[in-house]
Amino acid sequence: GAGVSQSPRYKVAKRGQDVALRCDPISGHVSLFWYQQALGQGPEFLTYFQNEAQLDKSGLPSDRFFAERPEGSVSTLKIQRTQQEDSAVYLCASSLTPGGITDTQYFGPGTRLTVL
Amino acid sequence: TQLLEQSPQFLSIQEGENLTVYCNSSSVFSSLQWYRQEPGEGPVLLVTVVTGGEVKKLKRLTFQFGDARKDSSLHITAAQPGDTGLYLCAGVLGGSRLTFGEGTQLTVNP
Repeated sequence: GAGVSQSPRYKVAKRGQDVALRCDPISGHVSLFWYQQALGQGPEFLTYFQNEAQLDKSGLPSDRFFAERPEGSVSTLKIQRTQQEDSAVYLCASSLTPGGITDTQYFGPGTRLTVL
Repeated sequence: TQLLEQSPQFLSIQEGENLTVYCNSSSVFSSLQWYRQEPGEGPVLLVTVVTGGEVKKLKRLTFQFGDARKDSSLHITAAQPGDTGLYLCAGVLGGSRLTFGEGTQLTVNP
């Protein structure tokens, strides 16, 4: 498909497990973003990549969260030693250009993570 | 404290009614965007406003950016059940990251 895809769509983890969430952006898109959306809330910024460079990781809530985009396309968000407060929908978005005030971000469907 | 305050948080109306959703902040934004999100999907961009005082129309939806670029509103005329969803405003302060409001959950009853 032509849109942003994410996998898995649903993930259930036991507290303390590590998880890896994958994002396939739209082909050719330079910018990639990760957001966290708690139930009933708006998304909150986690991190931003321009190609393979992680330019902003100020939104990552702790050092248990790690993101990478090694070849400037697919990105993986990894959460180590998951905790119940990590339960949320994790959204990935991509945009064509390096960024601008009118840039359009295209969102994937998200991965719903539930930590038991 | 939320940087962008949306109101109301929940809105349930009958088909054919008009409604307005507000997005307010004490910060000045380079641009402001409105998104609509349906269950199990990511947000979809509806409009971007850039200039203070700007008004944009998208069929029955009217978007306005405040003169000082700190607030915005979304007005829907003659709402339809297909308008049901979570409406999110998002501002760009600098760079590319979006700062979202908490969202307004709209339900339009037939």
